[in-house]
Amino acid sequence: AQSVSQHNHHVILSEAASLELGCNYSYGGTVNLFWYVQYPGQHLQLLLKYFSGDPLVKGIKGFEAEFIKSKFSFNLRKPSVQWSDTAEYFCAVILYNFNKFYFGSGTKLNVKP
Amino acid sequence: DVKVTQSSRYLVKRTGEKVFLECVQDMDHENMFWYRQDPGLGLRLIYFSYDVKMKEKGDIPEGYSVSREKKERFSLILESASTNQTSMYLCASSPPRGSSSGANVLTFGAGSRLTVL
Repeated sequence: AQSVSQHNHHVILSEAASLELGCNYSYGGTVNLFWYVQYPGQHLQLLLKYFSGDPLVKGIKGFEAEFIKSKFSFNLRKPSVQWSDTAEYFCAVILYNFNKFYFGSGTKLNVKP
Repeated sequence: DVKVTQSSRYLVKRTGEKVFLECVQDMDHENMFWYRQDPGLGLRLIYFSYDVKMKEKGDIPEGYSVSREKKERFSLILESASTNQTSMYLCASSPPRGSSSGANVLTFGAGSRLTVL
């Protein structure tokens, strides 16, 4: 079955710590990859996306993600987190010729001030 | 900016009641989606629609139906609500494949939190 796995369900960091959230998917074909973020009480919003080209993509608020095709991974990183990064983060995949998105189970990030 | 508006933020219904969740988008998007969001399970696709009067089942369609009579509106219907349908329901839309920008990017509504007693 097709799936998206996020290995960390709950991460607690202190401010200025570095962040890496794992995401793996199980599709063999061409994919588009996304990270969405949901701040407390807010809509889900796009953080960054990868369609093609440079596998290192940059998003809003200093986040970046690296697509490693051989590992079927799209990990999210940020060198120095802030308290305002406290949110839930979702990895998502869409197969190139389809309209259907698959989401991971989400990672709750709690940044302590 | 695309706006996706869900008519009800909070609803409380009783078991067996019929529930309508309405979603409207204002950017002429072809694709619309209904997800439910549950802690630890992420977002699971209930139904999606890629055109007026067209619908396709997602991963968990049982107990739900949808209606898309107009391009901007996509309704989720719970014919007979049950307690296991207590959840946050998210509507989203996206432009069609091949759009020059924003293609394959979902825009979400604020969500409708449904409690079934």
